Amino acid sequence: DAGITQSPRHKVTETGTPVTLRCHQTENHRYMYWYRQDPGHGLRLIHYSYGVKDTDKGEVSDGYSVSRSKTEDFLLTLESATSSQTSVYFCATRDEGQGGHYGYTFGSGTRLTVV
Amino acid sequence: AQSVAQPEDQVNVAEGNPLTVKCTYSVSGNPYLFWYVQYPNRGLQFLLKYITGDNLVKGSYGFEAEFNKSQTSFHLKKPSALVSDSALYFCAVRDDSSASKIIFGSGTRLSIRP
Repeated sequence: DAGITQSPRHKVTETGTPVTLRCHQTENHRYMYWYRQDPGHGLRLIHYSYGVKDTDKGEVSDGYSVSRSKTEDFLLTLESATSSQTSVYFCATRDEGQGGHYGYTFGSGTRLTVV
Repeated sequence: AQSVAQPEDQVNVAEGNPLTVKCTYSVSGNPYLFWYVQYPNRGLQFLLKYITGDNLVKGSYGFEAEFNKSQTSFHLKKPSALVSDSALYFCAVRDDSSASKIIFGSGTRLSIRP
């Protein structure tokens, strides 16, 4: 997981509150991704970014927004947290310089509990 | 639409025995296939990939995967399992609609007993 830091590692929040998760990379990778991991679903893509201020939706983007104002930082915001957003969230980056064929590098995850 | 399926939620193997974790895929074009491993409380780690070339791909930690186009399969294998191989394994395929994205299977938990 070297080069990608997710914060916080754990968070408990109340329903209806906004929550922001941060992903910071030191790899200078152009592409960054946010996934959520839930039992029986594997990893599902929430949003991704292909450059500063360039983002796009994934398959489960409802209730989430993202921002990327610098290459190294990709923020995920839950606008009004719900219990269904209790999950483990992973950030990943991809090195386009290698043709993207060497897969992704993942952070260690953020465990979010919405009560 | 492209997809990957991992038909087994859990695979149990005795240490020293060969192991296989199954994956089948569905794509409209040429498949770009990956295997990742996740140890407890960690992010996913890249194991190996198939892009083109030899059907037998070698990766990290002694793992290999066999690409079979006729059976649309990409099974992960290891000749002799170690207890330390116990983890969650994910097969993945590159999204046909966007080379920027890959789609993960639901995962298979591999348990190696001493």
